[in-house]
Amino acid sequence: KNEVEQSPQNLTAQEGEFITINCSYSVGISALHWLQQHPGGGIVSLFMLSSGKKKHGRLIATINIQEKHSSLHITASHPRDSAVYICAVAPPLFSGGYNKLIFGAGTRLAVHP
Amino acid sequence: DVKVTQSSRYLVKRTGEKVFLECVQDMDHENMFWYRQDPGLGLRLIYFSYDVKMKEKGDIPEGYSVSREKKERFSLILESASTNQTSMYLCASSSLGTTIGEEAFFGQGTRLTVV
Repeated sequence: KNEVEQSPQNLTAQEGEFITINCSYSVGISALHWLQQHPGGGIVSLFMLSSGKKKHGRLIATINIQEKHSSLHITASHPRDSAVYICAVAPPLFSGGYNKLIFGAGTRLAVHP
Repeated sequence: DVKVTQSSRYLVKRTGEKVFLECVQDMDHENMFWYRQDPGLGLRLIYFSYDVKMKEKGDIPEGYSVSREKKERFSLILESASTNQTSMYLCASSSLGTTIGEEAFFGQGTRLTVV
């Protein structure tokens, strides 16, 4: 079983829909990251979370440390949101592995006009 | 605009060839990373370097080596390419003391096909 599981693997939505992507993890973490990968490969960081909730534009990320679960929400989705969304967790700082992120397999989102 | 640049977007190599993947960053970052990305598996760390001439193995170093002779350049070497090394390779960098995800400066990726 992977240490970081994302669901769904693939998601198709109509423009304007509210989208939720889920991430569950089974290890202790110091932080959780949401990344976006556009067609062509480039990856950009969306959020880094250690508790609570963060919002940036139409994107909202939440994390529940007790339940080891995070969600990424996209409000009023748009075709330009089409990408692969990747969840990754950073091990605890004391483990010395803070640079060794553990990645989920990604969720491929397609938003149609 | 800060950049992590990978030398090739697409490469096709023959089994047994020695393959060099080059990565250059212009942010004066100490940390540099090489990942491979395969469908259904997510990104997996091959090697990382936290200083010139320093390197540490990641989760899947077998069949690979790396070189960091200059701070801005981190090379991934496939000593004898095999078909199971067909993959997307991603380079990334971060400054010392920050996690890779916090800054997430990734290159565009190199899609390598070994035939």
